Amino acid sequence: GENVEQHPSTLSVQEGDSAVIKCTYSDSASNYFPWYKQELGKGPQLIIDIRSNVGEKKDQRIAVTLNKTAKHFSLHITETQPEDSAVYFCAAGPDYGQNFVFGPGTRLSVLP
Amino acid sequence: DAMVIQNPRYQVTQFGKPVTLSCSQTLNHNVMYWYQQKSSQAPKLLFHYYDKDFNNEADTPDNFQSRRPNTSFCFLDIRSPGLGDAAMYLCATSRVLQGGGIFGPGTRLTVL
Repeated sequence: GENVEQHPSTLSVQEGDSAVIKCTYSDSASNYFPWYKQELGKGPQLIIDIRSNVGEKKDQRIAVTLNKTAKHFSLHITETQPEDSAVYFCAAGPDYGQNFVFGPGTRLSVLP
Repeated sequence: DAMVIQNPRYQVTQFGKPVTLSCSQTLNHNVMYWYQQKSSQAPKLLFHYYDKDFNNEADTPDNFQSRRPNTSFCFLDIRSPGLGDAAMYLCATSRVLQGGGIFGPGTRLTVL
């Protein structure tokens, strides 16, 4: 089955700096890679996703890159703000529904 | 607003006493999922319904059951809760082939 690793487990950045979270996956059949943000006491919220026919996707301050050959994908947040502080989960799986495997999460702290 | 609603938000039960958690959605999504999330861990998929078709993850304990009486509602039944079942239970919905879905706010279960 699919196995997703995520690094780092914790990340602290100064407000305005960039943050990068990296994930690797094991199953070459995976072709859907979502990223979720989870704030304390809330359910995860989908913030961006990418499919294997695309190498990069951007939405305002957030971007995701995918290297399918190396089985790597990364989340990039630019101009970080305190409200970006949360736990971020990457995931990988087949391109239907939500049958994907989550990474262990990265706790991001943006320091004012 | 279309959304995923979970009730109750907090549930306390006694060891071995059956408990039911509920989830409803106004999104008309055909797939509904139940996840278990323990402290500082990623959500773990327990099972999902694709319309009326039930799909159980291989490692989901028999102690966990689910019902989906109609498109809008889905229930999680824990027949004999143990201390290890204390966790946040997340419901999510999606449309097939439309990727990452919508999570509810979760129900935090405490087992005494």
